[in-house]
Amino acid sequence: DTAVSQTPKYLVTQMGNDKSIKCEQNLGHDTMYWYKQDSKKFLKIMFSYNNKELIINETVPNRFSPKSPDKAHLNLHINSLELGDSAVYFCASSQDSGTFSTDTQYFGPGTRLTVL
Amino acid sequence: AQSVTQLGSHVSVSEGALVLLRCNYSSSVPPYLFWYVQYPNQGLQLLLKYTTGATLVKGINGFEAEFKKSETSFHLTKPSAHMSDAAEYFCAVSVGGGYQKVTFGTGTKLQVIP
Repeated sequence: DTAVSQTPKYLVTQMGNDKSIKCEQNLGHDTMYWYKQDSKKFLKIMFSYNNKELIINETVPNRFSPKSPDKAHLNLHINSLELGDSAVYFCASSQDSGTFSTDTQYFGPGTRLTVL
Repeated sequence: AQSVTQLGSHVSVSEGALVLLRCNYSSSVPPYLFWYVQYPNQGLQLLLKYTTGATLVKGINGFEAEFKKSETSFHLTKPSAHMSDAAEYFCAVSVGGGYQKVTFGTGTKLQVIP
């Protein structure tokens, strides 16, 4: 069984379109994250949710909107896609120990987004 | 704010040789330190982490790292490289209690030469 899954694995789209990436974890974790990994492999956190509440919201354009319908899901919706949004997006989750500074994060396989 | 610096974006070692991947951190308070590995076309996987206690941390696949406060380092080592160790390795740091973000380094790509 896949612990953290993402769909789709690949996403190719035109500039200006709106797209969503879905993430699900079956680990029973309380905290979920979205990361963006650019072409140089730099990994940067975008958002984090704990029990469906937004905890971390880094400097991300308003075009990116996370949605957590329940603890096991954290989806990422992107409006008006731009060329610079091309990257690999990783979902992750962790068990809430009260401080996720020390929690182990479990990553999904990534979604490679290409904006043409 | 915390940060990590990984020295060397690419490291090549021969199979059976020592693996040494360098990581230095910057933090004004005691840090928590992690090493993650990313195999091609996969997500990251935790190798090991230091939170408190023993400064020599052993992880999966024969890797270990030592937290050296005086050198602000957390270098990753493995005595004998295996072909399957070829991957991208990320050092990461976080600080404080509560919900603090983890900051990742820029990664080191390890190549193992047969």
